[in-house]
Amino acid sequence: EIVLTQSPGSLSLSPGERATLSCRASQSVSSSYLAWYQQRPGQAPRLLIYGASSRAIGIPDRFSGSGSGTDFTLTISRLEPEDFAVYYCQQYGSSPLYSFGQGTKLEIK
Amino acid sequence: EVQLVQSGAEVKKPGESLKISCKGSGNPFTTYWIGWVRQMPGKGLEWMGIIYPGDSDTRYSPSSQGQVTISADKSTSTAYLQWSSLKASDTAMYYCASSAGGNFDYWGQGTLVTVSS
Repeated sequence: EIVLTQSPGSLSLSPGERATLSCRASQSVSSSYLAWYQQRPGQAPRLLIYGASSRAIGIPDRFSGSGSGTDFTLTISRLEPEDFAVYYCQQYGSSPLYSFGQGTKLEIK
Repeated sequence: EVQLVQSGAEVKKPGESLKISCKGSGNPFTTYWIGWVRQMPGKGLEWMGIIYPGDSDTRYSPSSQGQVTISADKSTSTAYLQWSSLKASDTAMYYCASSAGGNFDYWGQGTLVTVSS
């Protein structure tokens, strides 16, 4: 069974700063099937990045994804107030068929 | 683009049955998978299962297998998640989401299920 571990669990930064979020898989994940989501309080999750590095429709270019194999990264180049939220990575294809990381909470410092 | 609209919040007692729904519009309902994701209070996202309405091919997570039933009605573009006997531990927000390529592209607004005696 594949497990996705996100780090850090929480991150305190100021608007304008750069955020780097990590997602590590217990087994290799196809880059085609690694995605990132943002969930703001009281809202449904929103797809940010798919295929490890492709931005979803309407996602600002300050969001970028990278990585391969077992190590993936979501970078937010310059934080805006609306970016403070919880971020999840997700894989498809390994057992279980889909799974999510436990999330990283990005908080305003 | 896909729009998913879920049924409203439910309050149930332990042992009761429940069926919640997710109605799709936009792209043809039979061309993408519909997944269900649970979020317990204050916790993260858990994938429960997924269905392809085109042929009703359904897959469950190991922890959801036997606990819930996922179904779909092509004629009304609606997917369902049902329980035959709810437990207090089923209290959660449940999201449906569309998937065409391994990620969840579009999400419903969520259905809050509260199970309490």
